[in-house]
Amino acid sequence: DAGVIQSPRHEVTEMGQEVTLRCKPISGHDYLFWYRQTMMRGLELLIYFNNNVPIDDSGMPEDRFSAKMPNASFSTLKIQPSEPRDSAVYFCASSLSSGFYGYTFGSGTRLTVV
Amino acid sequence: GESVGLHLPTLSVQEGDNSIINCAYSNSASDYFIWYKQESGKGPQFIIDIRSNMDKRQGQRVTVLLNKTVKHLSLQIAATQPGDSAVYFCAENLTPSGGGADGLTFGKGTHLIIQP
Repeated sequence: DAGVIQSPRHEVTEMGQEVTLRCKPISGHDYLFWYRQTMMRGLELLIYFNNNVPIDDSGMPEDRFSAKMPNASFSTLKIQPSEPRDSAVYFCASSLSSGFYGYTFGSGTRLTVV
Repeated sequence: GESVGLHLPTLSVQEGDNSIINCAYSNSASDYFIWYKQESGKGPQFIIDIRSNMDKRQGQRVTVLLNKTVKHLSLQIAATQPGDSAVYFCAENLTPSGGGADGLTFGKGTHLIIQP
């Protein structure tokens, strides 16, 4: 298995532009998580899905953020409009229902909003 | 709210020495703990886990100790190597069954630096 795949690896955009981050979870995993990592706040859970259904989006910072999971093999995190304070590394992770062995993380997308 | 935290942001050790990274948690209901390693430019990588019904678990060169009395978790790395340089996170899960429906809560991380 190729693991959790995220794209793009790096994204530089101007303030006000729309940004879409993509994630392909590990096949067979039924949970998908979006995390944001910054030096100040560490790893923050933004939203997670179970069987493609959003379960908890309380970590989504503002209405500018939205996430979808149209099928078991694909999820997107969208920021519209983007702001400089959104600059961070965004990680996608997936796991099995059993919950053990934690989550498998992707390599992340480093977002820079200028 | 409940949180997982780390005592030290940076730990510097000599190559070949043993490293001990500490973590304090405050939620006594947590029953599953995980240590992650994050290298520069990569996502967190699972190292070792332990369930609350255990006090100790060993892996290859790593040992995790759990003291539920004082809510303390530690990661011991034997004979540290340059490749061990990374940020180490502890994480807790209230209910591992169910895919972590409560979500993993991560500490801030400890940066382990290996001196040659």
